Amino acid sequence: QKEVEQNSGPLSVPEGAIASLNCTYSDRGSQSFFWYRQYSGKSPELIMFIYSNGDKEDGRFTAQLNKASQYVSLLIRDSQPSDSATYLCAVRSAGNNRKLIWGLGTSLAVNP
Amino acid sequence: EAGVTQFPSHSVIEKGQTVTLRCDPISGHDNLYWYRRVMGKEIKFLLHFVKESKQDESGMPNNRFLAERTGGTYSTLKVQPAELEDSGVYFCASSLSWGDNENYGYTFGSGTRLTVV
Repeated sequence: QKEVEQNSGPLSVPEGAIASLNCTYSDRGSQSFFWYRQYSGKSPELIMFIYSNGDKEDGRFTAQLNKASQYVSLLIRDSQPSDSATYLCAVRSAGNNRKLIWGLGTSLAVNP
Repeated sequence: EAGVTQFPSHSVIEKGQTVTLRCDPISGHDNLYWYRRVMGKEIKFLLHFVKESKQDESGMPNNRFLAERTGGTYSTLKVQPAELEDSGVYFCASSLSWGDNENYGYTFGSGTRLTVV
């Protein structure tokens, strides 16, 4: 079992729709959860982080965390073609270890 | 504010040769990380510096990889001798000093694409 799992996609949504990206993780001790966006040939760019159960909203983005189910998601409202990218889920465990464990990423295509 | 800078952006070397990658973190960022992404695989952690000290090097694949951060500023990652399986994109990232909100994410450099032929 992979430590962080994401559906590789591609996920295709029409412009203006809600895109829902999902991520599960295996380490129950994980404490912080990150969503990064990566355009082709570019470096990952942090979109949001979340560490408490529930929802966290930032503009068109909402991160949702359910530690009991070991599940974190990212919702993108009013999707735009410029949102087309690979979305990477990353998880940090408890303690002094600051490394991130990454999923493979989900490819999102927003169609005009 | 300048971002995380990596050099070179691309490198093609022959098996058995030596390559040195460089990373300049954001000024004032004590934490510096190296990650690698092999094609078709997840991004994998290599090591973490706090200033000039190696905090965690559990992800270094083998002793052909040597990372340094003299003076706690820029870092180098040397691969000697390079093997075919070392091909991939090597990312460097930096973050604020220890004790900050640990939920801050990293700022990544643009990466070095290494191809070993």
